[in-house]
Amino acid sequence: KQEVTQIPAALSVPEGENLVLNCSFTDSAIYNLQWFRQDPGKGLTSLLLIQSSQREQTSGRLNASLDKSSGRSTLYIAASQPGDSATYLCAVLMDSNYQLIWGAGTKLIIKP
Amino acid sequence: DTGVSQNPRHKITKRGQNVTFRCDPISEHNRLYWYRQTLGQGPEFLTYFQNEAQLEKSRLLSDRFSAERPKGSFSTLEIQRTEQGDSAMYLCASSNRDRGYPEAFFGQGTRLTVV
Repeated sequence: KQEVTQIPAALSVPEGENLVLNCSFTDSAIYNLQWFRQDPGKGLTSLLLIQSSQREQTSGRLNASLDKSSGRSTLYIAASQPGDSATYLCAVLMDSNYQLIWGAGTKLIIKP
Repeated sequence: DTGVSQNPRHKITKRGQNVTFRCDPISEHNRLYWYRQTLGQGPEFLTYFQNEAQLEKSRLLSDRFSAERPKGSFSTLEIQRTEQGDSAMYLCASSNRDRGYPEAFFGQGTRLTVV
């Protein structure tokens, strides 16, 4: 059974710092991995999608990496801003049944 | 293309009442998913459709829950005889299976409060 874990559960850093969020998964038979952002009481916004054959994806100040064999992904946020404050969730799409399996998220607070 | 749309955004209901939520996916997307999310947790899978066919249902989906996608376009999720434990955010997502690497796009969710 696939399990997705995100560490840390919460993170608070000063504005301007670079930071890394971690996501690990137990079953490497994934189709892709997505990072999402969720603001309080809101839905999910897709940030980056990494195919299982890829190593990383970049969008603006965000860079996501994937090491499928070790079951790890990281989301790197450069030059953090208060507007980056949100919960960040990772989800893996399973090869077998096209289901998304989710981590519990990392709540990020960027202090001005 | 306005993205995935969910209605209503918020619903407050008394315990025992029935509620129905609607999801309009991105127009060319043939897969539609329903998830439930409680505070501080990641989404939990409920069910998904490939066109109009409901292909999988989670064990979380008790017999009080029913979902339909009658014409392979919009979908409805109905909860009968609501309980306080049904209070959660209900999220809908869509993707296109025909693409090589299906990316899921989510709506803003429907927040249900059962009082």
